[in-house]
Amino acid sequence: TVVTQEPSVSVSPGGTVTVTCGLTSGSVSTSLYPSWYQQTPGQAPRTIIYGTNIRSSGVPDRFSGSIVGDKAALTITGAQAEDEFDYHCVFYMGSGSVVFGGGTRVTVL
Amino acid sequence: QLRLQESGPGLVKPSEILSLTCSVSGGSISSPGLFWAWIRQPPGKGLEWLGSIFYSGSTKYKASLEGRVTISADKSKNDFFLSLTSVTAADTGVYYCARLGARSGWDFDSWGQGVLVTVSS
Repeated sequence: TVVTQEPSVSVSPGGTVTVTCGLTSGSVSTSLYPSWYQQTPGQAPRTIIYGTNIRSSGVPDRFSGSIVGDKAALTITGAQAEDEFDYHCVFYMGSGSVVFGGGTRVTVL
Repeated sequence: QLRLQESGPGLVKPSEILSLTCSVSGGSISSPGLFWAWIRQPPGKGLEWLGSIFYSGSTKYKASLEGRVTISADKSKNDFFLSLTSVTAADTGVYYCARLGARSGWDFDSWGQGVLVTVSS
């Protein structure tokens, strides 16, 4: 199973950007419990979205998760300079097995 | 508050065994229904799940690492471990331990800070 994720995206301050994660083996559904992690290189990741669309405590409401078509999506609405991070998606494949996307570098410029 | 801390050698020689410990505090690795996992990140690359151990002791590994990777636990010390054999330079990276928790599905709800392991002679 391979996860497809945009290597990089850019957005203007105040704009909206969507990062997607798909599966080469088929459609993404909520039963894969998509989760999203924010990471500064060299630091541990931080969960921002779990269970497809649930924001972790303290995560601003400009971050949202959803299923769009056959992919999981992370949307930042009203992006700010402080949102420049690497974002990683994860799908739960069962029995403690997960698969990561390759990560997306979000640039706000 | 749950805390995970990785420890182990920062330098391993090619063909040798990489061994890491994740020490857990503020929670028990024996808590029912939870998985404990190892994840790594090669320099400049994405995150890669290596394997998980269930609270019961059963394990699941990434298919491409089967035969090289072993995850085990010592419940008396509240630690779990990673062993990776026959390492090469491709195994260089930051290794994280994490809890795979079951809140509205499954996600990594707690991470260690990570430990850099370099494979080099």
